[in-house]
Amino acid sequence: QVQVVESGGGVVQPGTSLRLSCVASAFPLRTSGMHWVRQAPGKGLEWLSVLGADGVQNECADSVKGRFTVSRDNSKNTVYLEMNSLRVEDTAIYYCAREISAFNGFDIWGQGTMVTVSS
Amino acid sequence: QSVLTQPPSASGSPGQSVTISCSGTNGDFADYKYVSWYQQHPGKAPKVMIYEVSERPSGVPDRFSGSLSGNTASLTVSGLQAEDEAEYYCSSYAGGNKWVFGGGTKLTVL
Repeated sequence: QVQVVESGGGVVQPGTSLRLSCVASAFPLRTSGMHWVRQAPGKGLEWLSVLGADGVQNECADSVKGRFTVSRDNSKNTVYLEMNSLRVEDTAIYYCAREISAFNGFDIWGQGTMVTVSS
Repeated sequence: QSVLTQPPSASGSPGQSVTISCSGTNGDFADYKYVSWYQQHPGKAPKVMIYEVSERPSGVPDRFSGSLSGNTASLTVSGLQAEDEAEYYCSSYAGGNKWVFGGGTKLTVL
């Protein structure tokens, strides 16, 4: 079954780091762009980052640029979101999602992993 | 910076049709035409309902349709059913290898 499963969320203090993982099943990550999207409690969806199918091309939203980086381990078929200098406003559910095709929308979503940044 | 604007709410009675709009800036839609729509029920992950303006993934009822006119994309839900009550988000490729979401529209089935 084609799916992605996120993990790695938790409660952390402001200024610390956290790494989220997204394991893909039934499709190789090298064939798809993968995105991270977050949703703060009671708020809308916010696009965060993309890692292209080539595993090299990547981009982040201005709101997290310089603090968040995305990477991939092909041997584990896993995409990572490394989050540094976390802020209270980074508190959200973090989803990874597969890109349907180049520049297109997202067809496969995980269940999300909750990150709470609090002192 | 691209912004997609959606009405905060929409409603309709069972069997009726409702249209949700999504207005872009900076020529997002005109340049890229990669508009997608997502349905999200409370506590659940988003689900793609429409991609590439009007394409419907397999398994999505044909009651859901998408269109684009100028810089405004629309999602129409025909023959409203109780299970259509959810939050709906539009999204678009914004250029420069970035994407953007609209603020969301809460659809209520009366």
